Amino acid sequence: DAGVIQSPRHEVTEMGQEVTLRCKPISGHNSLFWYRQTMMRGLELLIYFNNNVPIDDSGMPEDRFSAKMPNASFSTLKIQPSEPRDSAVYFCASRLDSWVVRGTEAFFGQGTRLTVV
Amino acid sequence: TQLLEQSPQFLSIQEGENLTVYCNSSSVFSSLQWYRQEPGEGPVLLVTVVTGGEVKKLKRLTFQFGDARKDSSLHITAAQPGDTGLYLCAGYANTGNQFYFGTGTSLTVIP
Repeated sequence: DAGVIQSPRHEVTEMGQEVTLRCKPISGHNSLFWYRQTMMRGLELLIYFNNNVPIDDSGMPEDRFSAKMPNASFSTLKIQPSEPRDSAVYFCASRLDSWVVRGTEAFFGQGTRLTVV
Repeated sequence: TQLLEQSPQFLSIQEGENLTVYCNSSSVFSSLQWYRQEPGEGPVLLVTVVTGGEVKKLKRLTFQFGDARKDSSLHITAAQPGDTGLYLCAGYANTGNQFYFGTGTSLTVIP
């Protein structure tokens, strides 16, 4: 398997523009996570999907942020409108969860470095 | 959000030295993981600890989960330049499947 694939790797956009980040999880994994990483705040959990359903979106900072998972092999994180303070590295991670085995390994993509100017 | 504080935040040591990184919280976790992240990459899992008081060894790395499952430590013996990276602990909540990451420890091992 190629692992978790994120695109684009780098994105530079102007304030006010819409930004869409994409993630392809590892095939067969049923949980997907979006994280944001900054020097000041570290790795923050934004949203968590299980079986394509959003389970916990309490980490989504504002209504400008939205995430979707239309099927088991694709997820998007959208920021509209973008602001300079959204500049960060955004990671997607996937994992195989079950009620029997918990705390399994999460596999991360290489991240998308977003710069909003 | 369940806060996990790591200390120290930054650590720079000479090759061959030993070091310990701490991960502390006021919350109880059903399990805890340690990840290492290199520049330009996502975090990669090193170990998972599940039982209070558990100790796991991975070559020169020793991981311990506190008896109360609120804290953990990572000890590296005879550090090498290849150990350089950002070390992150992540706590697995008792309810739900979310992992919450610690604040991170940036380690630099100087040859």
